[in-house]
Amino acid sequence: DTGVSQNPRHKITKRGQNVTFRCDPISEHNRLYWYRQTLGQGPEFLTYFQNEAQLEKSRLLSDRFSAERPKGSFSTLEIQRTEQGDSAMYLCASNHVGGIEVSRVGTGELFFGEGSRLTVL
Amino acid sequence: EDQVTQSPEALRLQEGESSSLNCSYTVSGLRGLFWYRQDPGKGPEFLFTLYSAGEEKEKERLKATLTKKESFLHITAPKPEDSATYLCAARHNNAGNMLTFGGGTRLMVKP
Repeated sequence: DTGVSQNPRHKITKRGQNVTFRCDPISEHNRLYWYRQTLGQGPEFLTYFQNEAQLEKSRLLSDRFSAERPKGSFSTLEIQRTEQGDSAMYLCASNHVGGIEVSRVGTGELFFGEGSRLTVL
Repeated sequence: EDQVTQSPEALRLQEGESSSLNCSYTVSGLRGLFWYRQDPGKGPEFLFTLYSAGEEKEKERLKATLTKKESFLHITAPKPEDSATYLCAARHNNAGNMLTFGGGTRLMVKP
């Protein structure tokens, strides 16, 4: 399968625990994005990387959230001291901008994974 | 504040009953209006990108159109497999690579 892969698909944790999600983007994509989606709402942007550099962060990304993409391939999103309000679907997306792909793939055409659903009890 | 609003929130159609979904946006300097389809428990799947007023895109039973303040997703003779949540998103001049999504329209097509 060559799509965006996210793990784990479901995570149930107790308030105050730390959780980490992993995203493996499409291999030739240089940009990787994290979004959060709550039930009945559209996705909300959290952060994005170009290669290994984190270039943009939303105000939603409090200091309990940290994201990394150490070698410009997979990414991790860690939430420390989880709160019930963190319960949501965490979506990862990727695309490629620049080079031979630029004429076909705009920065809005994102390829999403199936998400990691977090439930904080 | 930049906003994207979709209506209706939910829409029930009979198979074959054509209709339209609305996406209104208030963003400064639109740099793309995007439509996605999302099935339950899955991530959004890209459908269309529209860049300028008057532009139209088509794919099977779906046609997306764009004006200066809103976009429509027209569904012609829908089938039950078209049932999904349809999301629109806007990217604007000052947003970097952030897309602002609307809340979606849940479409249910009954046979």
